[in-house]
Amino acid sequence: EVHLVESGGGLVQPGGSLRLSCAASRFTFSNYWMNWVRQAPGKGLEWVAKIKQDGSEKFYVDSVKGRFTISRDNAKTSLYLQMNSLRAEDTAVYYCAREAFCSGGVCAWDYWGQGTLVTVSS
Amino acid sequence: SYELTQPPSVSVSPGQTASITCSGDKLGEKYVSWYQQKPGQSPVLVIYQDTKRPSGIPERFSGSNSGNTATLTISGTQAMDEADYYCQAWDSITAVFGGGTKLTVL
Repeated sequence: EVHLVESGGGLVQPGGSLRLSCAASRFTFSNYWMNWVRQAPGKGLEWVAKIKQDGSEKFYVDSVKGRFTISRDNAKTSLYLQMNSLRAEDTAVYYCAREAFCSGGVCAWDYWGQGTLVTVSS
Repeated sequence: SYELTQPPSVSVSPGQTASITCSGDKLGEKYVSWYQQKPGQSPVLVIYQDTKRPSGIPERFSGSNSGNTATLTISGTQAMDEADYYCQAWDSITAVFGGGTKLTVL
């Protein structure tokens, strides 16, 4: 079965940086759009970013534009999220998720990782 | 920005039918997905493209979407269905989630 494993979370001070990774296995990683979705403690889900199969297209939620960068390495079957200028409101569990079941360019997320917790605090 | 609205909580007795709504402007013109999330676990896709169930999702889960409202229906609700449920749609290139509904099976 598809396997997605996030890592790289931790405690960081406001204004700091962190790089999250998502190791993918048991499917052809290079065939899929990939996403990051986050969930603040006790709150709902929030989509963060997505990246095309070859990395040529990237999209972000407005609140992270200019601060976060999504990337991927298909040779390493890994997804990344570089987070800079972190704020307290970025505190959340970050999930990577695979897009599937697409129609007309609209997709759902059929597999999710277990998440990695990012805490932004002084 | 586009918004999806869900009731914060819904209660249902075991064996009865639970309905969770999700409302948004002209939502019926978009595809809606539904995710189930149990405490401490990652979300699980239960409905996509308004009405379709992924492999492994029980038939008691169904969906509809028309006008401004999408609905997730759970027929013959079981105790194991107690969870948070999130609707989701795409507004152009941005994914939007509803605030989530806590389903309690009393």
